[in-house]
Amino acid sequence: AAGVIQSPRHLIKEKRETATLKCYPIPRHDTVYWYQQGPGQDPQFLISFYEKMQSDKGSIPDRFSAQQFSDYHSELNMSSLELGDSALYFCASSSTHPQGTHEGYTFGSGTRLTVV
Amino acid sequence: DAKTTQPTSMDCAEGRAANLPCNHSTISGNEYVYWYRQIHSQGPQYIIHGLKNNETNEMASLIITEDRKSSTLILPHATLRDTAVYYCIVRVGGNTDKLIFGTGTRLQVFP
Repeated sequence: AAGVIQSPRHLIKEKRETATLKCYPIPRHDTVYWYQQGPGQDPQFLISFYEKMQSDKGSIPDRFSAQQFSDYHSELNMSSLELGDSALYFCASSSTHPQGTHEGYTFGSGTRLTVV
Repeated sequence: DAKTTQPTSMDCAEGRAANLPCNHSTISGNEYVYWYRQIHSQGPQYIIHGLKNNETNEMASLIITEDRKSSTLILPHATLRDTAVYYCIVRVGGNTDKLIFGTGTRLQVFP
């Protein structure tokens, strides 16, 4: 079965640069979520989109922005990168019309961003 | 979402049952108990969820107390590949609601 696809898997950027992370949800999933996980920390919710509209917002810095496109893929844009932005970034997707008993909240393998 | 409390770490011998407890004393009537796990640096993986009845699937069993203030995730025959951080999350049912991760339990399965 198709899973949540994230690209790139690894990304190295210098301070003050910009980065764009991409997320391709499971087909027919209409909601996308972004999480940030720093070294030794638990995943922290950043932002979510439902049907291309922002549906919820967590602890996302103002330097970050995100959107969901017409094909439901999502991009997380990060500007003025700081050393503290180095982390794993996970995307998850779900459907408001799940098949079976599980709601289909599925995570991707993540993008490891290193800021140097 | 209700807050959950889990032990920081647990050990389990390979082949034995791993019982991971979770307290959620402030859970509301419409909130479900979800369990996810995260194997080192991989994306969190769904295990099981329930509302008030005990649940079982191919991965684990979920036992929820009658007052719903606590639950236990049971891995019946732990293997080395079950070594991971296990998160107990309480969340209102609904497919657009975010998951809020707490500290989780680091389960170490040893040979």
